[in-house]
Amino acid sequence: RKEVEQDPGPFNVPEGATVAFNCTYSNSASQSFFWYRQDCRKEPKLLMSVYSSGNEDGRFTAQLNRASQYISLLIRDSKLSDSATYLCVVNPSGISAGNMLTFGGGTRLMVKP
Amino acid sequence: NAGVTQTPKFQVLKTGQSMTLQCAQDMNHNSMYWYRQDPGMGLRLIYYSASEGTTDKGEVPNGYNVSRLNKREFSLRLESAAPSQTSVYFCASSELVLEGSKTQYFGPGTRLLVL
Repeated sequence: RKEVEQDPGPFNVPEGATVAFNCTYSNSASQSFFWYRQDCRKEPKLLMSVYSSGNEDGRFTAQLNRASQYISLLIRDSKLSDSATYLCVVNPSGISAGNMLTFGGGTRLMVKP
Repeated sequence: NAGVTQTPKFQVLKTGQSMTLQCAQDMNHNSMYWYRQDPGMGLRLIYYSASEGTTDKGEVPNGYNVSRLNKREFSLRLESAAPSQTSVYFCASSELVLEGSKTQYFGPGTRLLVL
């Protein structure tokens, strides 16, 4: 079983739609969680951290469910520029050993006009 | 600030050839990382350096070596390239904290094809 699992998609949605991605992780001791965004043929960039209480950044909302070991990302009012691959990222050990991260395979989002 | 830079951007090698991928960061970060990214596999950690003077193996270290030349630079060497090492290689850096994790900043990547 992969440590971080995501539905690879693609999710094809029209502009203005709301779309949600889920991600599950296997290490219950994980402490830090993130969503990164990766555009085609580009490097990953941090989209947002995920906090236990849930957090929002504009049109983006991240939630963490520790009991079920999953993380979600909700995008409201999708824009064409949201088209990208979204990577679920977990700090597996909770104790920094060079701040190691484990990446999911990514979920591809395509927003259509 | 350039952030994290990598050279070269593209490289084609023949099986058995060697090469070194260069990475440098100007954010005064202590920790640096090398990943490879393959379709459907996500990013996998090859080696990392928590701080200057230390290096450790990640998930897929076989066939690679690294050198933390100084605080800024972290190089990845392929001594005898194999077709299985065809991939996109990303270097990243972050601050070092005792617990949890800090944002990792990535370079633009090196696309390597081994024939």
